[in-house]
Amino acid sequence: DAGVIQSPRHEVTEMGQEVTLRCKPISGHDYLFWYRQTMMRGLELLIYFNNNVPIDDSGMPEDRFSAKMPNASFSTLKIQPSEPRDSAVYFCASSLIAGGPRADTQYFGPGTRLTVL
Amino acid sequence: TQLLKQSPQFLSIQEGENLTVYCNSSSVFSSLQWYRQEPGEGPVLLVTVVTGGEVKKLKRLTFQFGDARKDSSLHITAAQPGDTGLYLCAVPNAGNMLTFGGGTRLMVKP
Repeated sequence: DAGVIQSPRHEVTEMGQEVTLRCKPISGHDYLFWYRQTMMRGLELLIYFNNNVPIDDSGMPEDRFSAKMPNASFSTLKIQPSEPRDSAVYFCASSLIAGGPRADTQYFGPGTRLTVL
Repeated sequence: TQLLKQSPQFLSIQEGENLTVYCNSSSVFSSLQWYRQEPGEGPVLLVTVVTGGEVKKLKRLTFQFGDARKDSSLHITAAQPGDTGLYLCAVPNAGNMLTFGGGTRLMVKP
């Protein structure tokens, strides 16, 4: 299996521009997560999907951020308009359905390093 | 308030030294995971501990879950440059979410 695939790996854009990050989860995984990682705040969960349905988006910082999962093999995270404080590494992860209180393994993609100038 | 507090935040040691990093909380957890993140990559699961007092070994890495299931430690014996990375602990949250600690950034110098 190719693992979780993210594109682009690096994105440099100017303030005010729209940014779209893409993710292909591992085939057969029911859950998809979007995280943001910065030195100051660490790894933060932004939103997660179960069977393509958004379940919890309480981590999305503001209305400029939106995420979609049109099918089981593709998700996007969009920032419009982008701001310099959005600069971070954005990770997508996927996992199988959870069973009981034990957390299932989350498989992370390589991340997209976003720089907003 | 941080749910999971990891210490130390940064650690720089020489190859061959031993080290221990910690993940602490005031809450009780059903399980706890340790991930390692190498530079430029996403986190990768190392181990999951589920029973209070449980000890798991992965080559030179020893993981322990506290008896009260509130904390955990990771001990590395004879560290090597390949151990360099960010070590994250994580606990399950509502649904299938994970909450991550702030991490310990380890550098092992040759």
